[in-house]
Amino acid sequence: GAVVSQHPSRVICKSGTSVKIECRSLDFQATTMFWYRQFPKQSLMLMATSNEGSKATYEQGVEKDKFLINHASLTLSTLTVTSAHPEDSSFYICSAILPLTSGGTETQYFGPGTRLLVL
Amino acid sequence: AQSVTQLGSHVSVSEGALVLLRCNYSSSVPPYLFWYVQYPNQGLQLLLKYTTGATLVKGINGFEAEFKKSETSFHLTKPSAHMSDAAEYFCAVSETGGFKTIFGAGTRLFVKA
Repeated sequence: GAVVSQHPSRVICKSGTSVKIECRSLDFQATTMFWYRQFPKQSLMLMATSNEGSKATYEQGVEKDKFLINHASLTLSTLTVTSAHPEDSSFYICSAILPLTSGGTETQYFGPGTRLLVL
Repeated sequence: AQSVTQLGSHVSVSEGALVLLRCNYSSSVPPYLFWYVQYPNQGLQLLLKYTTGATLVKGINGFEAEFKKSETSFHLTKPSAHMSDAAEYFCAVSETGGFKTIFGAGTRLFVKA
């Protein structure tokens, strides 16, 4: 099946620094990717929709200047957490949409997640 | 607006017993419905999905779910639980078949030996 990877899988950073997380679709091109965050023992919350070649669409309450999203190619979207603070510590998960296939529907594939810890 | 409610944040069953995880949804348009499983510190794995057609959907690992429009439900079942089924399960709804998916709060399944 389709594979989505994330890098790094875990990252620890100091408060005030920026962290970049990569999301790649390994064997298909994805014009649309999504970024979610998941707090411990909670569900996934959609942060933003990443569109290749255009600006990301952010969900209400998500600071676009803090969570910078770049979807520069059909296989790569990046999420940069700028000036990270301890409250940004979370599990960040991306997903990519496998485009319509003949007779099928779009399918969403999730990456393995990135655990961010801000000290 | 869409929403998903999973009844029971924790469900515990004995190995070999029936697994039933409940999910109710709200959607103003015909929904696409999903069940995902998440193991600790991992991403999500799709168990099954309902888009159109047959209301009883079979997924991986012996799981199945039935879409009941009249009850706005999409409960997940498995006839016989296995220890390896212990994980977090998320029900999700989407209006466009995978775009902007809204997740339920999740149900943690415990399987007792």
